[in-house]
Formats: sequence, structure tokens, C-alpha cells
Amino acid sequence: DIQMTQSPSTLSASVGDRVTITCRASQSINNWLAWYQQKPGKAPKLLIYKISSLESGVPSRFSGTGSGTEFTLTISSLQPDDFATYYCQQYDTYPYTFGQGTKVEIK
Amino acid sequence: EVQLVQSGAEVKKPGESLKISCKGSGYSFSSYWIGWVRQMPGKGLEWMGIIYPGDSDTRYSPSFQGQVTISADKSISTVYVQWSNLKASDTAMYYCARPSRGYWYIDLWGRGTPVTVAS
Repeated sequence: DIQMTQSPSTLSASVGDRVTITCRASQSINNWLAWYQQKPGKAPKLLIYKISSLESGVPSRFSGTGSGTEFTLTISSLQPDDFATYYCQQYDTYPYTFGQGTKVEIK
Repeated sequence: EVQLVQSGAEVKKPGESLKISCKGSGYSFSSYWIGWVRQMPGKGLEWMGIIYPGDSDTRYSPSFQGQVTISADKSISTVYVQWSNLKASDTAMYYCARPSRGYWYIDLWGRGTPVTVAS
């Protein structure tokens, strides 16, 4: 299986902060990377696919970059609704593995 | 409305069997793969397996092969995951999830079925 490693595991930030989450793949995933947001008690929600394509309805403060095996999710100005856990997922090679998650907490 | 509707919460004892369901609506059910994702309490997302309801082609993640059975009934637009011998470690939230057509990122999620296995 391809291993996906996110960092940090937990991130404390304030409203208005710029936040960056990193995701590293154990091998090349040919740019097939997605990001999801999950709030407590809710199903995950797709934010970004194919590294940087924003899902319809997702605010433009979310963006994704990267290539090869290293990818980032950036929230340009953290809003109260953004405090959640974020997961990356590779969908290049089955099984389509997820990172372990990054919890964004209120500082 | 395009949606996946999952069956309700389950409380079972170790050794019991269980089958939970996920019904799709608002789209061509037989034409999209549907997967199952496990989330243990306080933990991350784990891909269990995936099925194509059109022909029941099924793939399992190595960690779940032999532990669960995924099936589909396209006549009622429903997929299932079942256990024959539940363990306490099967306690988790189980999500069904539909990958985008032609790609494998998930653009549609069910709300989840909580399963508790305790004596």
C-alpha cells in the first residue's frame, strides 16, 4: 500500500491565520491527490482533487499545491468554520489510502 | 437529490453477524463504484473495499480481505458490507462513499453507520 503521511498531526491557529498542511506519499502518485475536511460527527467533505482543483462550492481560501510525493493544503485566512480535521488521499493506486489526518484547533 | 442513505446504528455482541447497507439515489447507481471506509473511534479513515454494482466486481484492501464481505443489489440500488464474526475491534463508524466517475476521489459520502460491538 502507498503510505500517506501528514504533518503536523495537530495545528493550533487563530482566525485570520494562514495555515499549511503537508502530505507526503511513500511513492509517486502521479498527481492523483485529494483533500477532505471532516468535522466531528460528520462525514468527510471533498475540498480539492487532482492536487489543486477546487470542488464546487468550496471557498477560494482553500488551495492545494505540490507534485511527485509532496503536497500541501493551504488555508489563506482561517475562518471559524475551518476548525476541523483534514485528510489527504491518494487515488493513484488501489487501495486509495488516506493520511492520518491533521486537526486544526483554535489557538 | 443525489445521495447515499445508510442504515441505522447497530449494537452487537462479539461473535455475532451483521450486514449494513447503503442505498444510492438521484444518479445512475449501476454506473458508479461505491466504497466502504472505516473510521475507528478517534482515528483516521481506512479504505475497506469497493464494488461496482453494475457487475458486482469487488476489490478489497489487504487489511480487510477475508474480514468482511461487500456485495450489491443493483435492483434496489443498494450495497452492503457484512461481518460473520464480529469483534470488539470492529467498533467504528462505517461510511459508504462514491468515487467520482472516471476518477477515484470521493465526491459523495453517506452519513455513516455507527457499529458498536461489546459484550
